[in-house]
Amino acid sequence: GQQLNQSPQSMFIQEGEDVSMNCTSSSIFNTWLWYKQDPGEGPVLLIALYKAGELTSNGRLTAQFGITRKDSFLNISASIPSDVGIYFCAGVIQGAQKLVFGQGTRLTINP
Amino acid sequence: NAGVTQTPKFRILKIGQSMTLQCTQDMNHNYMYWYRQDPGMGLKLIYYSVGAGITDKGEVPNGYNVSRSTTEDFPLRLELAAPSQTSVYFCASRRSTQGPSGNTIYFGEGSWLTVV
Repeated sequence: GQQLNQSPQSMFIQEGEDVSMNCTSSSIFNTWLWYKQDPGEGPVLLIALYKAGELTSNGRLTAQFGITRKDSFLNISASIPSDVGIYFCAGVIQGAQKLVFGQGTRLTINP
Repeated sequence: NAGVTQTPKFRILKIGQSMTLQCTQDMNHNYMYWYRQDPGMGLKLIYYSVGAGITDKGEVPNGYNVSRSTTEDFPLRLELAAPSQTSVYFCASRRSTQGPSGNTIYFGEGSWLTVV
């Protein structure tokens, strides 16, 4: 099946640092979604991207839909302790009905 | 706003028992999905439905069954529970493929299932 490669798998950073993670694929997507999952909870939508080149912010989070439509990145600026969790990218392949998920990036923040 | 509601939240099953995970959404979404998430892993699609009366297999359908008799409900059934089915199960829904906002998928809070 289609694969989404998400990196890095884990990050250990100091509070206040900026964070960057990305997802790539060999398939073309018409939607990219970024989710955060806290322990014991379901994924929560952070940012949705619908057009190639689109750059969208949500507070300290910024995500971009790659111009080739095969990649996306998520940046978190000035990290705080509540940013800890697992971040998932997800994409909808053009014309498909299924949502494909990346493997997740586990973010740990040292105070 | 209820959104996607799953029950039960937690369940312990013995090997060979059967159970149904319930999922309902009040957003009139066409598409509904069941995912499982093993510890430290991403989400894997079990089954999905594009509308009432229509279901299809995902990546890991073995050991599960689904039905979609109404737009709102999409129950997931485990017929003969096995330890390999110990996981967290998430139900999700989205409106349709028409228009960009229709691709946004919404998740339930998860059902933690342990098979012993």
